[in-house]
Amino acid sequence: LAKTTQPISMDSYEGQEVNITCSHNNIATNDYITWYQQFPSQGPRFIIQGYKTKVTNEVASLFIPADRKSSTLSLPRVSLSDTAVYYCLVGEGNNDMRFGAGTRLTVKP
Amino acid sequence: EAQVTQNPRYLITVTGKKLTVTCSQNMNHEYMSWYRQDPGLGLRQIYYSMNVEVTDKGDVPEGYKVSRKEKRNFPLILESPSPNQTSLYFCASRTGFGPDTQYFGPGTRLTVL
Repeated sequence: LAKTTQPISMDSYEGQEVNITCSHNNIATNDYITWYQQFPSQGPRFIIQGYKTKVTNEVASLFIPADRKSSTLSLPRVSLSDTAVYYCLVGEGNNDMRFGAGTRLTVKP
Repeated sequence: EAQVTQNPRYLITVTGKKLTVTCSQNMNHEYMSWYRQDPGLGLRQIYYSMNVEVTDKGDVPEGYKVSRKEKRNFPLILESPSPNQTSLYFCASRTGFGPDTQYFGPGTRLTVL
């Protein structure tokens, strides 16, 4: 199982861009990188998923370098409502993905 | 609306009193799973099911049972709850194929006295 390493916590201010990096040195060829967002007392919510290079949707962007040993979730112009825990998962499905402790992002006014 | 529902949302019980937490999804997903979430430990998988009548242990299955008689339902059973099972529980589902994109229920907060 590919393990991931993320910062435990990050602080930001409203309107700033936030980048959360995840390390996954042992990523396998068939593995995808998936990010989830979790608000207090709610279930995690899928944000974005990618395999290589860059993926963008209406919520975030995901940057994956050529060696795929890390990835960066980018949240543009965060607001107070983006305060949450963000999880990086790596795997190809088939029940091989595991949630770590995640990164607790706090957005301040 | 595509969703995963859990019941009850909150439950306080006593040690040893059997309980069931229900989970249902309306997306025709093959794969369903149960997680527990405890402070500082993230989400840990309890059991999962790849399809009807197919279940398997996750990372922390002790003290729990599950069944998958129908595709849409995946109840979590605690035959004899203990205080160390006090936790926040999430049910999730996804299609059975490809990378993980799970849909989570709203959670069940269980307290065992």
